[in-house]
Amino acid sequence: DQQVKQNSPSLSVQEGRISILNCDYTNSMFDYFLWYKKYPAEGPTFLISISSIKDKNEDGRFTVFLNKSAKHLSLHIVPSQPGDSAVYFCAASGGSGNTGKLIFGQGTTLQVKP
Amino acid sequence: DTAVSQTPKYLVTQMGNDKSIKCEQNLGHDTMYWYKQDSKKFLKIMFSYNNKELIINETVPNRFSPKSPDKAHLNLHINSLELGDSAVYFCASSPRDRPSYEQYFGPGTRLTVT
Repeated sequence: DQQVKQNSPSLSVQEGRISILNCDYTNSMFDYFLWYKKYPAEGPTFLISISSIKDKNEDGRFTVFLNKSAKHLSLHIVPSQPGDSAVYFCAASGGSGNTGKLIFGQGTTLQVKP
Repeated sequence: DTAVSQTPKYLVTQMGNDKSIKCEQNLGHDTMYWYKQDSKKFLKIMFSYNNKELIINETVPNRFSPKSPDKAHLNLHINSLELGDSAVYFCASSPRDRPSYEQYFGPGTRLTVT
């Protein structure tokens, strides 16, 4: 039972354009959402997060949008750069006794073409 | 300086053997985690320790035993290795066991059981 889903395994965009990565979740108890980025042969690195009390969080070129009614979040990267090419994981956490446990999606591979 | 380090990076062994993976963080964090990334690329939490105390223990075979000798180390010992244990294992740490705190991941240990 996958509570966090990233339905697009891959995405290809042109340098300078917008990249939009999507994530859906099923557990309404989740109250914190995060995006991690992973390069080959490295561990994931934190990118940006959002609390469920907000609908948008922005950090430089990266913006995360949260639609609680649709149980959907998205990561926008503007403008996209070749160095953004990586696997992006959506993660969620929440519920009673929250202990930092993260539920990850299966990742979306982003390729930014020069 | 490496923040979260894991040894070994690669581990190839035969079924039935016992092996250990070591993890160390020099960030002064209180919480450490073990994740498993399977062949389908899902990252799933296995264990979490906070100040050497086990706080998350997911449905993991009891052949897997974590050990935290001190706050900076969380090792993973696996008994009687099986083919299905082949995966990439990631160690992570965070300042506290709350999702609002970024988790820092190690580079991963690729375990191959033959």
